[in-house]
Amino acid sequence: NAGVTQTPKFRVLKTGQSMTLLCAQDMNHEYMYWYRQDPGMGLRLIHYSVGEGTTAKGEVPDGYNVSRLKKQNFLLGLESAAPSQTSVYFCASGRPSGGAAGDTQYFGPGTRLTVL
Amino acid sequence: QKEVEQDPGPLSVPEGAIVSLNCTYSNSAFQYFMWYRQYSRKGPELLMYTYSSGNKEDGRFTAQVDKSSKYISLFIRDSQPSDSATYLCMAGGTSYGKLTFGQGTILTVHP
Repeated sequence: NAGVTQTPKFRVLKTGQSMTLLCAQDMNHEYMYWYRQDPGMGLRLIHYSVGEGTTAKGEVPDGYNVSRLKKQNFLLGLESAAPSQTSVYFCASGRPSGGAAGDTQYFGPGTRLTVL
Repeated sequence: QKEVEQDPGPLSVPEGAIVSLNCTYSNSAFQYFMWYRQYSRKGPELLMYTYSSGNKEDGRFTAQVDKSSKYISLFIRDSQPSDSATYLCMAGGTSYGKLTFGQGTILTVHP
């Protein structure tokens, strides 16, 4: 049981390049999330998904796209990377509980992205 | 102004001290509150989860929520060097996308 895994662990991009970050979970969770973490800003929600085939915007969605074609995978895409997207990206998964949204989330190890 | 405010510290205490970590929030729609611990270069992991005002205890950790003053706290008793980490508070409501983290407090417990 690997939990939540993220690929790649590190990446350096040049401005304008594109890339896709992959998140995979083997816990059969319905919900999946993408966050970015920046110094002094904490974790900020980029996009999330409450089930296969569904996605929704979080707090900071601009410049990112996501897809949830399979329940276990959640992809985060950067179409044209900008230096402002230099950050550590975390994926998380979870399941609904008692009607309260966003119950326990299990986080991946993170992807460190630098955009030059 | 962020909906969840947390003093980023850093906070440095001697081993065995009682640590108090605090957050305030501004959105009355928040109904449940969590504390996550994040070790350096790792993903956050859940420590405590509370849904109502009052105290919740788990070993050396106590989470406290005061909805009337919109104040949440995490107390660590008999702190250990292994408690050195960043502690993140989080607030959420019934909207799945409404999950807001504080900035995180960096804690160091020195032997």
